[in-house]
Amino acid sequence: EPEVTQTPSHQVTQMGQEVILRCVPISNHLYFYWYRQILGQKVEFLVSFYNNEISEKSEIFDDQFSVERPDGSNFTLKIRSTKLEDSAMYFCASSETDRGEQYFGPGTRLTVT
Amino acid sequence: GENVEQHPSTLSVQEGDSAVIKCTYSDSASNYFPWYKQELGKRPQLIIDIRSNVGEKKDQRIAVTLNKTAKHFSLHITETQPEDSAVYFCAASNTGNQFYFGTGTSLTVIP
Repeated sequence: EPEVTQTPSHQVTQMGQEVILRCVPISNHLYFYWYRQILGQKVEFLVSFYNNEISEKSEIFDDQFSVERPDGSNFTLKIRSTKLEDSAMYFCASSETDRGEQYFGPGTRLTVT
Repeated sequence: GENVEQHPSTLSVQEGDSAVIKCTYSDSASNYFPWYKQELGKRPQLIIDIRSNVGEKKDQRIAVTLNKTAKHFSLHITETQPEDSAVYFCAASNTGNQFYFGTGTSLTVIP
């Protein structure tokens, strides 16, 4: 069964550094999402992406965040200048249709020191 | 914006009993309600979803009910098994692709 993949599984970075989290959605999916989950807390929506542009974003997704689909397979989340409070698990998800079943990747655990 | 509340935060049941988890939402425009199961250290996985044009949906031991008037929806798991132990999240989505999650329910099924 096809799966969403994410790299790296764990990223440690210093405060103020830029990080790029990578995702490979399922190949025939058209809708892509990023979520974050601070340890022990709920999953929080960051952004959705369709047709090479952002379709929705939450209040969390400020100017420090950006997303890109640089080629036909990758979907990336960039955090320009990381803060301690950015430490969380970041999940990518994709779906075939608009609000269809979302398949989550295994997550990237980001630790900002 | 939408506010989703979920209760209880923890739930313990004996194997074979039923478990019910409830969520309320605030935005009457929300019309899609998925439920996710997240085992420890793993990714969330969709277990069932419901759209606002139906009141109930069932898939084997799992069912979801939706009351649009009261703005609440519930997950029902019957004949619980130890492998049902996990954190369950409800979510709500209105137009577009923004999803609001509940705070999660940690379900423990005691053998």
